[in-house]
Amino acid sequence: DAGVIQSPRHEVTEMGQEVTLRCKPISGHDYLFWYRQTMMRGLELLIYFNNNVPIDDSGMPEDRFSAKMPNASFSTLKIQPSEPRDSAVYFCASSHVGGPYEQYFGPGTRLTVT
Amino acid sequence: AQTVTQSQPEMSVQEAETVTLSCTYDTSENNYYLFWYKQPPSRQMILVIRQEAYKQQNATENRFSVNFQKAAKSFSLKISDSQLGDTAMYFCAFRKGGGADGLTFGKGTHLIIQP
Repeated sequence: DAGVIQSPRHEVTEMGQEVTLRCKPISGHDYLFWYRQTMMRGLELLIYFNNNVPIDDSGMPEDRFSAKMPNASFSTLKIQPSEPRDSAVYFCASSHVGGPYEQYFGPGTRLTVT
Repeated sequence: AQTVTQSQPEMSVQEAETVTLSCTYDTSENNYYLFWYKQPPSRQMILVIRQEAYKQQNATENRFSVNFQKAAKSFSLKISDSQLGDTAMYFCAFRKGGGADGLTFGKGTHLIIQP
């Protein structure tokens, strides 16, 4: 089985540009999570979906960030406009109902905003 | 809100030694899950081991085991016969029970296995 797929793996953009990160969860998983990892703040949850519906977006830092899940196999995290402080590694993870709901992580997207 | 604390920013041991990584957490929940994730230089997050709070028996996965002390809210990871490939960041994580929810992570411990 393919794991969680994220694209791109690396993104370098200039301040003010729009950035879109993509995620394909593991087939059959009905929960999808977006996390951000920085040196200062560590790993923090941004938002998560259940059956394509956003459940908790309290971790989204500000209105410049938005996330969508148009179907069970695809999600996007968009930053518009981007700022240097958005530079981080963004992880997508998925899980399914049953047991401890272990979360399986994608390889992450390293975003650099100059 | 839950908090997870890892008090050891970095640890270094010799290959084949046993090492224990500490983790404490704070929660008012009674039903929850605890996890240890490994992040090697490739940055891939890899699940090492999990513990259900309602289980008294400590979880074990090959060379990895935990010491779960619910009353003390402590969840340490023991790695036996450490190998060079164990060199990585290790994150302790908490999740509420009763349905899927986001993970709350500690700041991590950088473990270095010396040859």
